[in-house]
Amino acid sequence: GEDVEQSLFLSVREGDSSVINCTYTDSSSTYLYWYKQEPGAGLQLLTYIFSNMDMKQDQRLTVLLNKKDKHLSLRIADTQTGDSAIYFCAESGGSSASKIIFGSGTRLSIRP
Amino acid sequence: DTGVSQNPRHKITKRGQNVTFRCDPISEHNRLYWYRQTLGQGPEFLTYFQNEAQLEKSRLLSDRFSAERPKGSFSTLEIQRTEQGDSAMYLCASSLADHYEQYFGPGTRLTVT
Repeated sequence: GEDVEQSLFLSVREGDSSVINCTYTDSSSTYLYWYKQEPGAGLQLLTYIFSNMDMKQDQRLTVLLNKKDKHLSLRIADTQTGDSAIYFCAESGGSSASKIIFGSGTRLSIRP
Repeated sequence: DTGVSQNPRHKITKRGQNVTFRCDPISEHNRLYWYRQTLGQGPEFLTYFQNEAQLEKSRLLSDRFSAERPKGSFSTLEIQRTEQGDSAMYLCASSLADHYEQYFGPGTRLTVT
């Protein structure tokens, strides 16, 4: 079945780069996403990448996709305290073109 | 504010009661989705509508759950005879048809006591 796995926690020093990794199982996934969730809030779509792309950059965010290994990563450059949140990796377009399958989220904490 | 809105934001109910949540999507979006998120987990898909038609339902959506989108705009999610296991955040999202980006509302947190 479809599954998305990511590590639960990541701690980085303010100003460093954060790299959050994710693996997925559905080779027919079409879109891969990164969503951000702050405490008590809904999910904010950060960025997404189509499965025929290897990389996407958007300001401080860089997404890398290794389709062969079914591995997705999100790099946040110059991490700030406002980046503290839970980051969800997700995919869609496999068995259902409409529903998004989410990982359990990676909690990013920032050390001063 | 032109984002997805959900009401109420919080609901506390006693076991066995019925509850209803409302979602108002982004105005031009014809697809509307419901997800459920429990503590420490990512959202899980429940169902989605294109206009007023309910096109897919998850096996998570037991017969106590019903969702409607009568005029293709706002949607309601009703849970009958609530159980403690129904306690979760219920998230609504919307998108344009054939667009993969889904935009989420702030959610309704349900607590069943």
